[in-house]
Amino acid sequence: GENVEQHPSTLSVQEGDSAVIKCTYSDSASNYFPWYKQELGKRPQLIIDIRSNVGEKKDQRIAVTLNKTAKHFSLHITETQPEDSAVYFCAAHGEGTYKYIFGTGTRLKVLA
Amino acid sequence: EAQVTQNPRYLITVTGKKLTVTCSQNMNHEYMSWYRQDPGLGLRQIYYSMNVEVTDKGDVPEGYKVSRKEKRNFPLILESPSPNQTSLYFCASSLYPTSGDAGEQFFGPGTRLTVL
Repeated sequence: GENVEQHPSTLSVQEGDSAVIKCTYSDSASNYFPWYKQELGKRPQLIIDIRSNVGEKKDQRIAVTLNKTAKHFSLHITETQPEDSAVYFCAAHGEGTYKYIFGTGTRLKVLA
Repeated sequence: EAQVTQNPRYLITVTGKKLTVTCSQNMNHEYMSWYRQDPGLGLRQIYYSMNVEVTDKGDVPEGYKVSRKEKRNFPLILESPSPNQTSLYFCASSLYPTSGDAGEQFFGPGTRLTVL
């Protein structure tokens, strides 16, 4: 079946450094790729998303890139801050199936 | 306030005792979905609904039922819960017009279920 692989599972960076999380999806019909941030004990919240007709999207310190040929998409966080510490999930949504397939999550720790 | 609500937030039950977790949204969203979250496995979709009376299986539907009789409500039913259904459950909703694209999913606060 369809799956989304997410790496790394944990990531520690120094405050001010950049963080990159990568996902690979299997279903070539996927056309919507959201990223969620989940703080400890809280619900997931959308931080950025990208659709298959766009290669890159940026929102302040956060950017997402999509390579449809390679079926890769990545989250980039620049100038990391302690409040960026959380678990991040990528997901892929398929046109026609209407399902969401999530990655297994990346625990990001930003060290002050 | 626009929101997704779930009840109960915490539930401890015993094997075989039927239970229902309610989910309601006040944003007139077409798409609603249930997920379970387990350590190391991320979020896995149980069922989703594109609109009233339209539901379909996600990746892990076994042991669960859903219904969508009204647009705002999407209850999750466990007819005979088992210990392997102990998990954190999230309901979510989003806009999804018939001829349009998926919108942002808004998640409920979660329901922590323990089946003994």
